[in-house]
Amino acid sequence: EVQLVESGGGLVQPGRSLKLSCAASGFTFSNYYMAWVRQAPTKGLEWVASITNSGGSTYYRDSVKGRFTISRDNAKSTLYLQMDSLRSEDTATYYCTRGLRRVPFDYWGQGVMVTVSS
Amino acid sequence: DIQMTQSPSFLSASVGDRVTINCKASQNINRYLNWYQQKLGEAPKLLIYNANSLQTGIPSRFSGSGSGTDFTLTISSLQPEDVATYFCLQHNSLWTFGGGTKLELK
Repeated sequence: EVQLVESGGGLVQPGRSLKLSCAASGFTFSNYYMAWVRQAPTKGLEWVASITNSGGSTYYRDSVKGRFTISRDNAKSTLYLQMDSLRSEDTATYYCTRGLRRVPFDYWGQGVMVTVSS
Repeated sequence: DIQMTQSPSFLSASVGDRVTINCKASQNINRYLNWYQQKLGEAPKLLIYNANSLQTGIPSRFSGSGSGTDFTLTISSLQPEDVATYFCLQHNSLWTFGGGTKLELK
């Protein structure tokens, strides 16, 4: 059974940092693209960042470029999102999701809440 | 950047109704369009990928169509468990979600 379990969320002040993790199991992690998608309270879904199966290429939405870093450890089957210089508009539930290049986001974790507030 | 315009934003229908939800891309995305269902308090679930391919385990009352810029998700006979918000996703160039359609029972 495919499982994606996010952790590392919480309350953080504006300008500070937070690192999210996503532990994967039930599939060959190194075969899949991985991504983070977020959802602000009562809002829609917003793609944040993606990483290829090898980790050789990364992609970011414009609003997080230079502040967020996506990475992965295939030996540990774990995806990460380092979030620096956090802003109130980054407040959201962050979902970890996997996929293939032309079948993206086929399984999702349950999400982890990040609240940026003073 | 590719923009995705989803309509309607809100939909009320009766059990057994045929329901259609639309997504329009700001430019040609070929057939690289997915549909997701998100129930209250849950993670999204993939229903349809690449415009018309049904994900494993999804009931056959769900179907997708379209190519280029215009796409449709159809529920052939609405069931109570289909109450949810539905999102489209383009993956032709990076990834962009539509704004969502909240589906309720009349």
